[in-house]
Formats: sequence, C-alpha cells, structure tokens
Amino acid sequence: EVQLVESGGGLVQPGGSLRLSCAASGFSFSIYWMSWVRQAPGKGLEWVANINKDGSVKYYVDSVKGRFAIYRDNSKNSVVLQMDSLRAEDTAVYYCARRTNGDYWGRGTLVTVSS
Amino acid sequence: QSVLTQPPSVSAAPGQKVTISCSGSTSNIGNNAVSWYQQLPGTAPKLLIYENNKGLSGTPDRFSGSKSGTSATLGITGLQTGDEADYYCGTWDSSLSAYVFGIGTKVTVL
Repeated sequence: EVQLVESGGGLVQPGGSLRLSCAASGFSFSIYWMSWVRQAPGKGLEWVANINKDGSVKYYVDSVKGRFAIYRDNSKNSVVLQMDSLRAEDTAVYYCARRTNGDYWGRGTLVTVSS
Repeated sequence: QSVLTQPPSVSAAPGQKVTISCSGSTSNIGNNAVSWYQQLPGTAPKLLIYENNKGLSGTPDRFSGSKSGTSATLGITGLQTGDEADYYCGTWDSSLSAYVFGIGTKVTVL
C-alpha cells in the first residue's frame, strides 16, 4: 500500500524557517517524481515544487523561488521541503504527493506563519 | 487568480448529471495532459482522472473526463450525496514550468 506521511509542520514567526519531511513507503520511491502542494485555509490547491527521480531537476512556483528548496534522499525514501524566509501567506496545509500530478497524497502537515 | 478557469460551483439533484469545465491555453491544457481531483471536506485531495480521460482503478465509472483544444471537462453522472466535494483540474504549464490547478468547483447535491 502506498503511504506518504508528512511531518515537520508547526507555528513559526515571519522570517523563520521550517523543514518539512515526507516519508514514503509501499512503492519504489526512486523511480518517481515527487511533489509538494499546499492549501491555505479555506482556499484552493497550489502546487509548490517537484523533483525528479534522482534529484537533479527541480521546479518551483514563482512565489517560493529563492526561499524554498526541495530535495530527496532515495536511500531513506524521503523528500524534504526546506522553507526559509517564511511569510504569513505561506500559511497552509502542505501535502506531499507522488508524481507531478499527484496520484497519491499524504494527509498533510499544517504550517502557520504568525507572530 | 489561476491560469485555469473553473466555475466556482455547480449543483444538481441526486441522480442527475453535472459537468465541470476547465479552460486554459496552449501553454497548459492545449499541450499537456489534464488531471482531475476530488477533495471531500476535511480530507486530502484524491486523483480521479489522469491523462485527460483515464480513471484510476478506484474511480467509479460515473466520473469521466474529456479534453478538446484548450478546455477540459469532468462529468459526473448519477449524482450522489457522497459526491459533494470540491473538484480541481490540474496540468503542467510549459510557459511557467510549473504545475497549475484551477480554483476548484464546489459540487452541491440538492
């Protein structure tokens, strides 16, 4: 069974940093692109970033470029979203998803950016 | 604002059919495959349709997808109360080098 479990969310002050992790199991992790998608409270889905199979290709939504970094560790079946210079508008539930189009999703982890 | 346009809401009585449109451009829908997602209240999104019209093994046959030019459509027949959810279209945008979602359409069963 495919499982994606996010962790690392929480309350952080504006300008702070947070590191989200996604633990994958139940499939051959190293052969899939992985993505992060977020959803602000009461709002729609926003794709954040994705990473290719070996971590050599990464794409980001414009609003997080230069502040967020996605990377993966295929030996640990995990993908990480490092978030720096956080802003109030980054407040959202962050989902880890398999493939760019998200054929499987985790349950999400809440990130709140507030003073 | 999104580069993909969806109606904010649609509604119909149980057993009826609804369609949800998703309009884009040549940089996204026109040249890339469209996926559709269902998000039930308080839950994570779930992929329903991929590559424009392919259902996952768990997707009921009542859900169908189609694409023509720069627009895509999700159809739901035999509407059930359990279908009340938000539905999103999504695709890769080659100009933005980013995946884009529509704003979401809330389906209400009257």
